[in-house]
Amino acid sequence: NAGVTQTPKFQVLKTGQSMTLQCAQDMNHNSMYWYRQDPGMGLRLIYYSASEGTTDKGEVPNGYNVSRLNKREFSLRLESAAPSQTSVYFCASSGQLYNSPLHFGNGTRLTVT
Amino acid sequence: AQSVTQPDIHITVSEGASLELRCNYSYGATPYLFWYVQSPGQGLQLLLKYFSGDTLVQGIKGFEAEFKRSQSSFNLRKPSVHWSDAAEYFCAVGDGGNNRKLIWGLGTSLAVNP
Repeated sequence: NAGVTQTPKFQVLKTGQSMTLQCAQDMNHNSMYWYRQDPGMGLRLIYYSASEGTTDKGEVPNGYNVSRLNKREFSLRLESAAPSQTSVYFCASSGQLYNSPLHFGNGTRLTVT
Repeated sequence: AQSVTQPDIHITVSEGASLELRCNYSYGATPYLFWYVQSPGQGLQLLLKYFSGDTLVQGIKGFEAEFKRSQSSFNLRKPSVHWSDAAEYFCAVGDGGNNRKLIWGLGTSLAVNP
């Protein structure tokens, strides 16, 4: 019963490097999300995908791109990492029905030096 | 402005003691309210939610929460805390339609003394 799986769990990048965070869910959910979590800032939505083939910006999209590869997978790409992107990143998914709760992955801890 | 406030950044209780975590919101429409829990190194997990009806809602792990419209509050309670309840707790409010519009509190960190 995997739920939402994120890879990698940890990553260290140098400023300017790129990387892609992977997320997959096996609950047949239509909606998927990327959040970042920073001390004192709480959870902030980066990007959102209501369904396969659609993506929308959230609260803090600058410096990120996303791809909804298929219904299961939603990836987050940092093209040129900056120290300000040091954070814990969470992927989540939810069903299409109103009030469907969010199901979160265990997060990726990213450090940019 | 719409917002969620969790007044207590950090709370410490003894195992077996009762617990109340506060959540106050400011929201223009009918609020849909949630409590999530985050154990160390884990993602968030839904504890309970309130949409309508009975203002006292039961959740998982023995938690409950009471919606008080007059006080704009949705406080989380547990009669007897277990050491495994040590975690971060987040309150969130939405319009019931789209999770992308959820407004999150900054969280309350709970420590449990043996």
